[in-house]
Amino acid sequence: QLQLQESGPGLVRASQTLSLTCAVSGDSISSGSFYWSWIRQPAGKGLEWIGRIDFSGNTDYNPSLKSRVTFSVDTSKNQFSLKLSSVTAADTAVYFCAKEVDYFDGSVSPEHHYHYMDVWGKGTTVTVSS
Amino acid sequence: DIQMTQSPSSLSASLGDRVTITCQANHEISTSLNWYQQKPGKAPYLLIYDASSLDTGVPSRFSGSGSGTDFTFTISSLQPEDIATYYCQQYDGLPITFGQGTRLEIK
Repeated sequence: QLQLQESGPGLVRASQTLSLTCAVSGDSISSGSFYWSWIRQPAGKGLEWIGRIDFSGNTDYNPSLKSRVTFSVDTSKNQFSLKLSSVTAADTAVYFCAKEVDYFDGSVSPEHHYHYMDVWGKGTTVTVSS
Repeated sequence: DIQMTQSPSSLSASLGDRVTITCQANHEISTSLNWYQQKPGKAPYLLIYDASSLDTGVPSRFSGSGSGTDFTFTISSLQPEDIATYYCQQYDGLPITFGQGTRLEIK
């Protein structure tokens, strides 16, 4: 059974870089046509998709964060990572990693697009301090 | 970005009640919509994908419908374990976006 576990510092100073890692267990990060995503949630607020990476290193970033975000993947360690630079108090949130299933079913006409996040990590709280 | 608007933002209902949440997109998104349940301190949990398909193991009291811009999520008979916040999420275009959430409480 696939499991995801986030790790990283719980406290980051303002203007510094937030770095988190998501360890994948139960299957290879390279198996299947999946994306590996980051989502965040400020306390008491909704969910914000930060972006995603596949095992080849192809990325999609949320334009609202694109200038500050970098994703990477390490298939040898079966993990992927997030770096968010120049953090402010607005970046204080619970950060989740998740597996994204995203595919087109060509057996129907017109072909049908499926996408969902079916496995999530438990989340890690990051606080930005001034 | 595609904006998703959920209503209501909070809802109080009695056990056994039928509960309905709506989600509206500001662009046509076909059936590119999922529903998640999130309990306090936990990660979101996928309930419904492709607007109306129940994920494996999800109780049949949960259902979804809609296409285009208007979507509905229904719990046919509210159970104590259904107390949570529910989010819709669109995937018709990037960035992926979520509704603001509907907090469901017991009356």
